[in-house]
Amino acid sequence: AQSVTQPDIHITVSEGASLELRCNYSYGATPYLFWYVQSPGQGLQLLLKYFSGDTLVQGIKGFEAEFKRSQSSFNLRKPSVHWSDAAEYFCAVDNAGNMLTFGGGTRLMVKP
Amino acid sequence: GAGVSQSPRYKVAKRGQDVALRCDPISGHVSLFWYQQALGQGPEFLTYFQNEAQLDKSGLPSDRFFAERPEGSVSTLKIQRTQQEDSAVYLCASSLADVTGDHEQFFGPGTRLTVL
Repeated sequence: AQSVTQPDIHITVSEGASLELRCNYSYGATPYLFWYVQSPGQGLQLLLKYFSGDTLVQGIKGFEAEFKRSQSSFNLRKPSVHWSDAAEYFCAVDNAGNMLTFGGGTRLMVKP
Repeated sequence: GAGVSQSPRYKVAKRGQDVALRCDPISGHVSLFWYQQALGQGPEFLTYFQNEAQLDKSGLPSDRFFAERPEGSVSTLKIQRTQQEDSAVYLCASSLADVTGDHEQFFGPGTRLTVL
């Protein structure tokens, strides 16, 4: 069965610092890959997605992610974090077009 | 256009009660998904519809959970004889996806169910 691992449960960064959230997946083929953000009491908002092609994908709010097949990773990055980025971030994979498997999430806190 | 909507947003039920959670997908979206998100965890897949056909219900945790989408649009997730472990946020998502289409899922705000 496929699985998604987000090794960091909590991350705290200072405002203006760079950010990298890790995501590793376990699946035989290249799945479709997603990063979602969830603010308290809100649904999930898509930040970016990878289906094929260029392995560096750009998303909304200044986020980007890089697919590395050799490492089965899809890490999310942002060069300069804003206080409004504080939220829960979920990595997800879709291997068959009919369900998403999510990681456990990483809670991002931003220090002023 | 409107996104995915869910109602009610909050539901408190006494243990043993039946509840029904509604999802209105984005108009024209073929696929509809239900997920359960326990506190502090990532969402977990419950079931999936393509139009009115329920193609996968492997994630439903027990036979107390039942979902339907009779006309291929609105969907209802029903939980019978609720238990405390059913307390969670129930998320609905819709997608244009068919077998070869775009796989992006659009999520509703969720229904937070609390079973006392």
